[in-house]
Amino acid sequence: GAVVSQHPSWVICKSGTSVKIECRSLDFQATTMFWYRQFPKQSLMLMATSNEGSKATYEQGVEKDKFLINHASLTLSTLTVTSAHPEDSSFYICSARVPRGYNEQFFGPGTRLTVL
Amino acid sequence: GQQLNQSPQSMFIQEGEDVSMNCTSSSIFNTWLWYKQEPGEGPVLLIALYKAGELTSNGRLTAQFGITRKDSFLNISASIPSDVGIYFCAVTGGAQKLVFGQGTRLTINP
Repeated sequence: GAVVSQHPSWVICKSGTSVKIECRSLDFQATTMFWYRQFPKQSLMLMATSNEGSKATYEQGVEKDKFLINHASLTLSTLTVTSAHPEDSSFYICSARVPRGYNEQFFGPGTRLTVL
Repeated sequence: GQQLNQSPQSMFIQEGEDVSMNCTSSSIFNTWLWYKQEPGEGPVLLIALYKAGELTSNGRLTAQFGITRKDSFLNISASIPSDVGIYFCAVTGGAQKLVFGQGTRLTINP
């Protein structure tokens, strides 16, 4: 149990276009999901907390108008990188919190975004 | 902000050797987690620790939650090639957010 998927696993886009990344909890309902960003050889940095049915909470320094988050159902959160630029190229990882026990987070496999 | 100091940053060992890594913090936490990340993948939870002094094993992995609640260590015994990856410690901060250490990159020579 506690499987999280992401789609796509990788994407290449042109500068100025928008890219949507999906995060799904496959075998549980997640009222809270999290979006992380990871640059090469660095740790995971939390970008935002996605709450089902309400607005996302962004970490300091993360542009909410650039990284649009929608948590429309208990099993799906989406991250849209708007007007992408090469500096947005990174590994984006989502996690979902299991709403029982110790509220552990399980991670998706990540999405590699390359902006040309 | 909350910071975890994880060491060592990298390890190069021979297959069969034991591995030890640790994380420390200046703050007290109630949960310590250890994850492993392989290239191009998301982190996978290895061990979760919820009580100070707790010692938990998962196969060849053993982790302990420090009695002061400010540190934790992870040991891997008799390393094998599939142990290669990056190991992260993490703690649960405010609003159930995870804060990660810098990671320990493990390389194993066969």
